[in-house]
Amino acid sequence: ETGVTQSPTHLIKTRGQQVTLRCSSQSGHNTVSWYQQALGQGPQFIFQYYREEENGRGNFPPRFSGLQFPNYSSELNVNALELDDSALYLCASSLGTPGDATNEKLFFGSGTQLSVL
Amino acid sequence: RKEVEQDPGPFNVPEGATVAFNCTYSNSASQSFFWYRQDCRKEPKLLMSVYSSGNEDGRFTAQLNRASQYISLLIRDSKLSDSATYLCVVNTGRSGGGADGLTFGKGTHLIIQP
Repeated sequence: ETGVTQSPTHLIKTRGQQVTLRCSSQSGHNTVSWYQQALGQGPQFIFQYYREEENGRGNFPPRFSGLQFPNYSSELNVNALELDDSALYLCASSLGTPGDATNEKLFFGSGTQLSVL
Repeated sequence: RKEVEQDPGPFNVPEGATVAFNCTYSNSASQSFFWYRQDCRKEPKLLMSVYSSGNEDGRFTAQLNRASQYISLLIRDSKLSDSATYLCVVNTGRSGGGADGLTFGKGTHLIIQP
C-alpha cells in the first residue's frame, strides 16, 4: 500500500453545493498534488501544495481550492459544483522538494468518486 | 498537438504474447518519463521510470526515443494479471521539474485473454 488515504470514498452532491475532500499523506512527504480523473481520461493536475503553500496550479478555476496542514493531511474544496465536476479525485504525495527528481514519484490514494447530480 | 498522446485501445492480446504500445509527447524539453498502471477505477501505481538508455524490469521494458519524442512499453509473456490501463506520464517542465510538471496521457487499455 502507498500509505496515502482519502476520504470519503464516494460522495453524491447536487449542482451548486460545496464539497471538501480529504487526504492523509505518508509521513515525511511534504508535497501533495491533487488530480481530477474523468471517466476514460487520464488524471488532470489541479494543484500542488508544498509545506502548506500552493506551489503550482493546473487549468482549473478558482472555485477549486486547497489546504495543506503540518500533519501531512490536506483538503480539496470545490465550490458551486457543476455537473462536469463528476469525477474521481486523486491525491498523491511525494518526497523531496519541487524540482527534485524524487518529487516526481507519486504515491496515490485510492481516490474519492464524486457524483454531481 | 496534445502534450501527451496514447492510443486508448483496447489492445486484446492472448496470454503469453508480447505487446507493445507507444506514447508521444509534444514538449521537446521534457526530462522525465514514467509508466503508471491503473486497474479499473483504482489509483494509478508507478510501474517504472523511463531512462534515456532504456530500462528493463522483469517482463517489462521501457524505451525513450528523444528524436521522435516517444516512449514505449513492451510486455513479454503477458499474464492475465497484466490487464489494466497503462498511463504514460511526462514531465512537461512547467516548473523545470517536480510533481507539478507531470502530465498524464489518457491511458492505453490492455486486455489479456486466456
